[in-house]
Amino acid sequence: DTGVSQDPRHKITKRGQNVTFRCDPISEHNRLYWYRQTLGQGPEFLTYFQNEAQLEKSRLLSDRFSAERPKGSFSTLEIQRTEQGDSAMYLCASSPNLQPEQYFGPGTRLTVT
Amino acid sequence: AQTVTQSQPEMSVQEAETVTLSCTYDTSESDYYLFWYKQPPSRQMILVIRQEAYKQQNATENRFSVNFQKAAKSFSLKISDSQLGDAAMYFCAYRSGSGATNKLIFGTGTLLAVQP
Repeated sequence: DTGVSQDPRHKITKRGQNVTFRCDPISEHNRLYWYRQTLGQGPEFLTYFQNEAQLEKSRLLSDRFSAERPKGSFSTLEIQRTEQGDSAMYLCASSPNLQPEQYFGPGTRLTVT
Repeated sequence: AQTVTQSQPEMSVQEAETVTLSCTYDTSESDYYLFWYKQPPSRQMILVIRQEAYKQQNATENRFSVNFQKAAKSFSLKISDSQLGDAAMYFCAYRSGSGATNKLIFGTGTLLAVQP
């Protein structure tokens, strides 16, 4: 069990560019979550997948954000036309079915200049 | 909507001493879970301890224990025999048990410093 992995760990982009992040959950965890964490705050929920189905989305997830989990394994989070306000740590977590706790990855730190 | 409040932005403890971190929450649900997560500097979030609301017994995990007061909606974390490696940001989190949502709702965190 290698834990939740995220790639890249750091991303610097210019305003207006598109970025994509990847998350690989713990194997056999069928639930996957994305959160966003800004400096000095706790993580805020963005979206949740059970297998390949996206079952819950936060109002924080604007039209510029899209997430996928096409085969029920890894997931991608894409941000289009990035804005400076998108600068944050993007955290991925996974959990096995019927277990309430979530296991987090190291995060992707996005800086929009 | 559920909320989680951590009123102590920063705490400090001497090595080998005991410290208690506070957390209160607001919910109208009767079935839920509470967690404490630890986030060391520049490192990933680690689950410290979990409490089911239906359990009266307070959860313990080695040097970490909770004081769960359901009526008061309070969920504090006690760290005994503090170690330098305990220095981190600690987050309290809530999860509904109803099945309507699986998201974690976090507080703003408490930054714990451990003095040698």
